[in-house]
Amino acid sequence: DAKTTQPPSMDCAEGRAANLPCNHSTISGNEYVYWYRQIHSQGPQYIIHGLKNNETNEMASLIITEDRKSSTLILPHATLRDTAVYYCIVKQTGANNLFFGTGTRLTVIP
Amino acid sequence: EAGVTQFPSHSVIEKGQTVTLRCDPISGHDNLYWYRRVMGKEIKFLLHFVKESKQDESGMPNNRFLAERTGGTYSTLKVQPAELEDSGVYFCASSPTRNTEAFFGQGTRLTVV
Repeated sequence: DAKTTQPPSMDCAEGRAANLPCNHSTISGNEYVYWYRQIHSQGPQYIIHGLKNNETNEMASLIITEDRKSSTLILPHATLRDTAVYYCIVKQTGANNLFFGTGTRLTVIP
Repeated sequence: EAGVTQFPSHSVIEKGQTVTLRCDPISGHDNLYWYRRVMGKEIKFLLHFVKESKQDESGMPNNRFLAERTGGTYSTLKVQPAELEDSGVYFCASSPTRNTEAFFGQGTRLTVV
């Protein structure tokens, strides 16, 4: 069911930007790209989503390539509390559920 | 505004016993979802309610699992009888519509011994 590919792990220095890549080469026209994260022992947390335009909110920015086959989640100033597993998920409009893959384990280093 | 709340946070039961997990979604959210992560595996969808109706239960593993949402408010997930492989973390989520982000609870950690 997984439609995305993410690196299993990444490190980022505290205060630096964390750039998390995601490949979704088979994405179709009505599928959105969603990002969630799971901090240890907590439930998944929504971060951001987009269709084709770049998006920004108070947590992060989402950059989607023009062909929509890949995207990058950017945490502009990573803190220790951003250490978590980050999931890139493609989801059809109106679909019932989210397919969580294995995600990227981001470790923010002091 | 209260988030999605789940009870209990932890449950340890013996194989063969029954356990009921409860989820209180965010008020006004018609859509309610159950997910679970069993040991070492990915988070997997179990089922989806729209108000009190089951919209999609394709992820329910077998007939030992029964989910209800009477009155379209809180939901329960009963496991009867529990097996060892049911151990894991069960998450509930809710959203106003299918096309808006889902808000997850903290999960219930179920251990079957």
